Amino acid sequence: AQTVTQSQPEMSVQEAETVTLSCTYDTSESDYYLFWYKQPPSRQMILVIRQEAYKQQNATENRFSVNFQKAAKSFSLKISDSQLGDAAMYFCAYRATQGGSEKLVFGKGTKLTVNP
Amino acid sequence: DTGVSQNPRHKITKRGQNVTFRCDPISEHNRLYWYRQTLGQGPEFLTYFQNEAQLEKSRLLSDRFSAERPKGSFSTLEIQRTEQGDSAMYLCASSHTLAETQYFGPGTRLLVL
Repeated sequence: AQTVTQSQPEMSVQEAETVTLSCTYDTSESDYYLFWYKQPPSRQMILVIRQEAYKQQNATENRFSVNFQKAAKSFSLKISDSQLGDAAMYFCAYRATQGGSEKLVFGKGTKLTVNP
Repeated sequence: DTGVSQNPRHKITKRGQNVTFRCDPISEHNRLYWYRQTLGQGPEFLTYFQNEAQLEKSRLLSDRFSAERPKGSFSTLEIQRTEQGDSAMYLCASSHTLAETQYFGPGTRLLVL
């Protein structure tokens, strides 16, 4: 079974600085999707960024980028120029490609605090 | 695009009572998912539908849980004879058949006393 591990229960960053959240996963599949979701306090979960495993290029969305290391099964999220609104729980998630289970498998999350 | 909506947002019930939650997905989305999230944990998959067909169920979904999506639009999740361990946030998500991103609703927070 696929598993997702987020080894940092909590992280903090100063406003305008850069922070990296770690995620590792375990799978025997060669093709899959990886996601980072953000869940602000008492608000709904929203997608931050998505990576297809067959793509070697790391995904980027504005201030958010990933470092995808397929051989190491590592998928870290870098947040540049951190803003107060980035404070939230961040969840790493795995999903098989079509033909396999469509469920998302989540890690336990990392709580990010942004200090002014 | 109005997003995924869930009702009610909060539910308090007594142990042994039945509860039902509703999820309205994004209108053109064929796939609908239910997850459960307990405090300090990531969401755990419960079940999913493609149109009206329930295609996958987790072992977490005991006999007390049932989900339906009768017309391939909204879905309901019913918990019978609730237990204190059922207290959690119940999340609904939807996605388009050909896309990979699941969009989440705000969730229904259940507290069983």
